Amino acid sequence: EVQLVESGGGLVQPGGSLRLSCSASGFTFSSYAMHWVRQAPGKGLEYVSAISSNGGSTYYADSVKGRFTISRDNSKNTLYLQMSSLRAEDTAVYYCVKPLGEWQDAFDIWGQGTMVTVSS
Amino acid sequence: DIQMTQSPSSLSASVGDRVTITCQASQDISNYLNWYQQKPGKAPKLLIYDASNLETGVPSRFSGSGSGTDFTFTISSLQPEDIATYYCQQYDNLPRAITFGQGTRLEIK
Repeated sequence: EVQLVESGGGLVQPGGSLRLSCSASGFTFSSYAMHWVRQAPGKGLEYVSAISSNGGSTYYADSVKGRFTISRDNSKNTLYLQMSSLRAEDTAVYYCVKPLGEWQDAFDIWGQGTMVTVSS
Repeated sequence: DIQMTQSPSSLSASVGDRVTITCQASQDISNYLNWYQQKPGKAPKLLIYDASNLETGVPSRFSGSGSGTDFTFTISSLQPEDIATYYCQQYDNLPRAITFGQGTRLEIK
């Protein structure tokens, strides 16, 4: 079964840091770009970041550029999102998502999501 | 950046009705447009990819059409289990860019 399982969410103070992890199984992780998408409470979906299959290319939404870093360890089938200088507006459920193809960014597999709350 | 305008923001319809949601891109995105369904407390589910391709296992009452800047998502006969929020999403590869529409909340009348 193809599965994505996020972890690492929690409560963090403004200005703090947090690292999210996403463990993948059931598919050849190293063959796919991977992405993060978030959803603030009661709001719509917001795209966050992408990383190519070999980790050599990354992309960030303007809202997180310079504060978040996406990375991956293909030997561990794991995707990461290092978040720093966190703000209240970063409060959201963060989803790890798999696309249909390296350059076909339709997201066919979603994790269950991990909640990040930025508050003092 | 490409902007996506999705309408309506909410919609009320009866079981058996034909339901249509539209998404307009601020510039030509070819057919790089996907549609998702999200039920409360759940992760989104891919329904349609590349404007008109039905994802495996998705009922045939769901369909999509369009290219360029104007896209349409249709439920041919609304079922009670279709109550959800629907999102369009565009993508581009050079340079890489991804944007979601604002969402359409679909309710039963």
